[in-house]
Amino acid sequence: KAGVTQTPRYLIKTRGQQVTLSCSPISGHRSVSWYQQTPGQGLQFLFEYFSETQRNKGNFPGRFSGRQFSNSRSEMNVSTLELGDSALYLCASSAGGTGGNTIYFGEGSWLTVV
Amino acid sequence: QQQVKQSPQSLIVQKGGISIINCAYENTAFDYFPWYQQFPGKGPALLIAIRPDVSEKKEGRFTISFNKSAKQFSLHILDSQPGDSATYFCAASRAGQGAQKLVFGQGTRLTINP
Repeated sequence: KAGVTQTPRYLIKTRGQQVTLSCSPISGHRSVSWYQQTPGQGLQFLFEYFSETQRNKGNFPGRFSGRQFSNSRSEMNVSTLELGDSALYLCASSAGGTGGNTIYFGEGSWLTVV
Repeated sequence: QQQVKQSPQSLIVQKGGISIINCAYENTAFDYFPWYQQFPGKGPALLIAIRPDVSEKKEGRFTISFNKSAKQFSLHILDSQPGDSATYFCAASRAGQGAQKLVFGQGTRLTINP
């Protein structure tokens, strides 16, 4: 069974630009979550989508947004990039139940903002 | 507000020794406590997880000990091997709609000396 796949793996953007990251969850998984990982703040939850609806949201500004498609694939977008947005962005998928399903992470997309 | 506190930040253990990483949580609504292992350049991978109705869970060389009254849980790695050198994260989540929202500790960088 293929794991969580994220593209692109590495990208460099200029301050003020926007970026879109993609995630393909494990087959059959309906929940996709996004996390930001930085050395200073650690792993922080961005948002979760389930059946194309945002079900949970973390404490990030509105510049961070996402969506989920009918095939459960997800994208996240960051607009008006700031230097502090440089991070590893991780996508995670699970079956999406309400009882602590196993959550599987992809290898992440490394974003550098210059 | 950091809801899951992890210690130590770094740990050096000799090969064959026991590695112990501790976590404490504040939110009594948490009911699922996973541990993740992350190697450089990779996404976090689930090691082992526990629920509050169990005080201990073992999987191979990895054991979680859980103390509900103290709101603490710990990871023990027996017979630590150089291949165990990685960063370890504890996490917690709530049941219900927030089950996919993991709150992570700050991580422990474990080094096993050969």
